[in-house]
Amino acid sequence: GESVGLHLPTLSVQEGDNSIINCAYSNSASDYFIWYKQESGKGPQFIIDIRSNMDKRQGQRVTVLLNKTVKHLSLQIAATQPGDSAVYFCAEKGIQGAQKLVFGQGTRLTINP
Amino acid sequence: NAGVTQTPKFQVLKTGQSMTLQCAQDMNHNSMYWYRQDPGMGLRLIYYSASEGTTDKGEVPNGYNVSRLNKREFSLRLESAAPSQTSVYFCASSFGGRETQYFGPGTRLLVL
Repeated sequence: GESVGLHLPTLSVQEGDNSIINCAYSNSASDYFIWYKQESGKGPQFIIDIRSNMDKRQGQRVTVLLNKTVKHLSLQIAATQPGDSAVYFCAEKGIQGAQKLVFGQGTRLTINP
Repeated sequence: NAGVTQTPKFQVLKTGQSMTLQCAQDMNHNSMYWYRQDPGMGLRLIYYSASEGTTDKGEVPNGYNVSRLNKREFSLRLESAAPSQTSVYFCASSFGGRETQYFGPGTRLLVL
């Protein structure tokens, strides 16, 4: 079945450093991937997405990389700021059951001053 | 443009009581969703509505019912609450099933 998981449940970085959050997925048929940010007490907030016909997509301070060969997804945050502290979720959608977004457990990112 | 709104923000119920969680979106989205989030876990889909007039079960539908009242509103009902339904409930919406979902702020439910 489908599953999405994260390599590291917690990540601590120094302010100003780059952060890399990783995600593994098992369904090779998945064709759409999303990263969400969830701050304490709030709902998940869309950060960036990528479709399976791409291997890299950039946004403002964020880059998502997709490696379909090893079924791996990563979120890179440049020049990490205190406001980046949150739990980050990757999610996937497969071709089948297109309505169903499968979430990973999440990685908590903390920023050290 | 408020996006996705949910009411109430917080609710305490006794076992066996019923309640309805309300969700509304003002983005003219076709699809709406209800998720629950338990501590240390990702979100799990309870029910979704691909379009007005349709609803379908998600991963964890037992103990819940939904109503897609109109294009804007999608409610979640607990007929007889159980402690296992203590969770944070999120509503989301999207233009279509293949598009990005946008989430509301959540309803925190405690069942005693």
